[in-house]
Amino acid sequence: GAVVSQHPSWVICKSGTSVKIECRSLDFQATTMFWYRQFPKQSLMLMATSNEGSKATYEQGVEKDKFLINHASLTLSTLTVTSAHPEDSSFYICSASPGLGDFNEQFFGPGTRLTVL
Amino acid sequence: AQSVTQLGSHVSVSEGALVLLRCNYSSSVPPYLFWYVQYPNQGLQLLLKYTSAATLVKGINGFEAEFKKSETSFHLTKPSAHMSDAAEYFCAVSWKGGGNKLTFGTGTQLKVEL
Repeated sequence: GAVVSQHPSWVICKSGTSVKIECRSLDFQATTMFWYRQFPKQSLMLMATSNEGSKATYEQGVEKDKFLINHASLTLSTLTVTSAHPEDSSFYICSASPGLGDFNEQFFGPGTRLTVL
Repeated sequence: AQSVTQLGSHVSVSEGALVLLRCNYSSSVPPYLFWYVQYPNQGLQLLLKYTSAATLVKGINGFEAEFKKSETSFHLTKPSAHMSDAAEYFCAVSWKGGGNKLTFGTGTQLKVEL
């Protein structure tokens, strides 16, 4: 099946620093990538949708200046948490889809655990 | 707006027993429904999906789910649990014109005991 990787798998950083998380589709071209956030014992919450070569579309309540998303190629999307604070600590999961529109299966990465001290 | 409710954050069954994980949805438009499984330290894997074809959907690893519009439900079942089924299960909803967005339930942790 299609494989999506994330790097790093976990990261610890100091408050005020920025952290970049990479999401790669290893064996297919991802027209669309999604970024989710998951708090302990809670569901995945969609943060933003990105299409290759265009600006990401953020969900309501998600600060686009804080969570910078770049989908520069058909196999790579990055999420940068800028000026991270302890409340940004969470599990971040990306998914990638080979097509646009409905019914295109999303393939999920293993997630990145971010801890901000 | 679309939403999903999973009843029971933890379900425990004996090996060989029936697995039943509950999912109810709320949608103002015909929904597409999914079940995903997440093993520790791994990404979500699609178990099965309903996209308005047959209401009884068969997935991988012996799981199946039935779409019941009258009950707004999409419960996941497996006749006989195996130890390897222990994982977190998520129900999710999408919809036509939704741009492939998924709205997830809060998940159900399945424990399988000897």
